[in-house]
Parts: sequence; C-alpha cells; structure tokens
Amino acid sequence: GENVEQHPSTLSVQEGDSAVIKCTYSDSASNYFPWYKQELGKRPQLIIDIRSNVGEKKDQRIAVTLNKTAKHFSLHITETQPEDSAVYFCAASNPYNQGGKLIFGQGTELSVKP
Amino acid sequence: ETGVTQTPRHLVMGMTNKKSLKCEQHLGHNAMYWYKQSAKKPLELMFVYNFKEQTENNSVPSRFSPECPNSSHLFLHLHTLQPEDSALYLCASSQEGMDTEAFFGQGTRLTVV
Repeated sequence: GENVEQHPSTLSVQEGDSAVIKCTYSDSASNYFPWYKQELGKRPQLIIDIRSNVGEKKDQRIAVTLNKTAKHFSLHITETQPEDSAVYFCAASNPYNQGGKLIFGQGTELSVKP
Repeated sequence: ETGVTQTPRHLVMGMTNKKSLKCEQHLGHNAMYWYKQSAKKPLELMFVYNFKEQTENNSVPSRFSPECPNSSHLFLHLHTLQPEDSALYLCASSQEGMDTEAFFGQGTRLTVV
C-alpha cells in the first residue's frame, strides 16, 4: 500500500522568511497530492493540491511542486506570517482506486516567530 | 461548517463502557472515512466506506466497530477500550472517482479512563 514520508517534523522560521516542507510517496499509482493545514484544536483543512499531470501550482504565498519520477512533492510558503503557524500534512491518493483514500505524512509543526 | 458534522465533540468513557461516535455529511459524497489522530502521530486511516460498503479495515482492533447505514452517515461503535485509544477521531468524506478534496469533521476528542 501507499506510504508517505514527510520532513521535517518541526520547522521554526522568522516572520517573512520562506518555509519548505517535503514529502515522498511510495505508490506510483497515486495521482492526487493535497496539503492540509491543521490549526490547534481544529480540523484539517485543504490549502492547496496538485495532480499528477501538473508539475507546479501556486496560490498567492503558497506553492506546491511535484516530481513524479522521483515520487516527491513539496510545499513552499513565502513571506511567512504568524498565522501560518500550524501543523501541515501532505497526503497522497488515487481517487479512482479505493475511494480516493488519503494516506497522510507524519505532519510538520510550523512555528513562525514575529 | 464544511458539511461534515461529528458528535459528540468530547467523550470520556471508562474501559468497560460502550459508546458510539456519529458522523454525518451533507455534501452528497459517496466515500466516508474514519481517521485516528494521536498526539505526536500522523493521521492514521482506520476504515474506508464506499457506497456504504466497507472497502478497507487497516488492522483496527475489534473493539472498534464501524457502521455505515447509508452514504450520509457513519458510526464508530466503541467497547472495552484501552487508555491508549484516547485520541482525536476524525471523520472525512469525499467523492470517489473525482479529484476533489476530502472534507473533515471537527473530530471527537476521546478520553478513556
């Protein structure tokens, strides 16, 4: 089955700096890669996703890159702000197999210091 | 609200109790999931239901028993739990066969004493 590895487990940056979180996956059939943000005491919420036919996607300060050959994808946050502090999870799935179940990475606790 | 509602939000139960967690989605999705989130651990997939049929059971102990009476409702029946089962239990739903996001409920914070 699918296995997703995520690094680092914790990340501390100064406000205004960039943050990068990396994930690798094992199942080459996976073709959908979402990123979720979970604030303390709240549910995970989707912030950006990428599909296998795209190499990069950007939404304001957030970008995601995908390298299907190497089976890894990354989240990039630029100009970080204190409200970006949260736990970020990457995930991989194949929506056309087994209901598109999401297999999550271990999570990265991002702390943005003012 | 994202359209996925879980009740109760908090639950404290003894090891000999029987309780149930409820999840309801109003998004018209055909797949529902139970995840367990423990402190310092990733989101662990427990059960998958597609069109009301259980398609995956990730080696979950039998003291956890899921039920999916229809595509909008999902239950997790609990009995004779252990203290290490204390965690946040999250329900999610999505649409199989489409590249759409999974929506999560707010979770049930379970404490086993």
